[in-house]
Amino acid sequence: EDQVTQSPEALRLQEGESSSLNCSYTVSGLRGLFWYRQDPGKGPEFLFTLYSAGEEKEKERLKATLTKKESFLHITAPKPEDSATYLCAALEGGSYIPTFGRGTSLIVHP
Amino acid sequence: ETGVTQTPRHLVMGMTNKKSLKCEQHLGHNAMYWYKQSAKKPLELMFVYNFKEQTENNSVPSRFSPECPNSSHLFLHLHTLQPEDSALYLCASSQGEGNQETQYFGPGTRLLVL
Repeated sequence: EDQVTQSPEALRLQEGESSSLNCSYTVSGLRGLFWYRQDPGKGPEFLFTLYSAGEEKEKERLKATLTKKESFLHITAPKPEDSATYLCAALEGGSYIPTFGRGTSLIVHP
Repeated sequence: ETGVTQTPRHLVMGMTNKKSLKCEQHLGHNAMYWYKQSAKKPLELMFVYNFKEQTENNSVPSRFSPECPNSSHLFLHLHTLQPEDSALYLCASSQGEGNQETQYFGPGTRLLVL
């Protein structure tokens, strides 16, 4: 059973159509929840780290939130250039190596 | 150069070849990682070095051999690979155990084994 599960696996949006990506985790004693963006054939690009339930972080059209069981990446009025795979990773207490989810592939149509 | 760099960016090799992937980080980090990324699969952790000591080897076949000569450089030596080893190989770095754990990734090496 995956410790980090992302949904949906794929998401198609029209430009301007806001939505949310989900990352649920079952790691013990969460020390950090990370979001990355990955473009095809490139390495993941760091977006956010969240440390405690209730925390929120924003960057341009993206906002990440965290609860005790899941994190959401909200995308407001997306543009085609937001198309990418979004990865989340959870860091368990006592470890410094995060567990990654399988990612959500986002396509934003103009 | 800034961040994490990887060379080469693309590599095609035969099953009998020997090649090496190189990673360099310019962030002053102490931990470095090799990941394998195949289509439709999550990132697979291969090796971890923390303060130049190998702390993780995730049951990786011996045809992959890591080397970490110092905390800024990481190599992955490849020999007698199989076609199923074709993937994107990613290097990452972080502050290391007990510190800020955010990982920063390089651009990756796209490997094709024929």
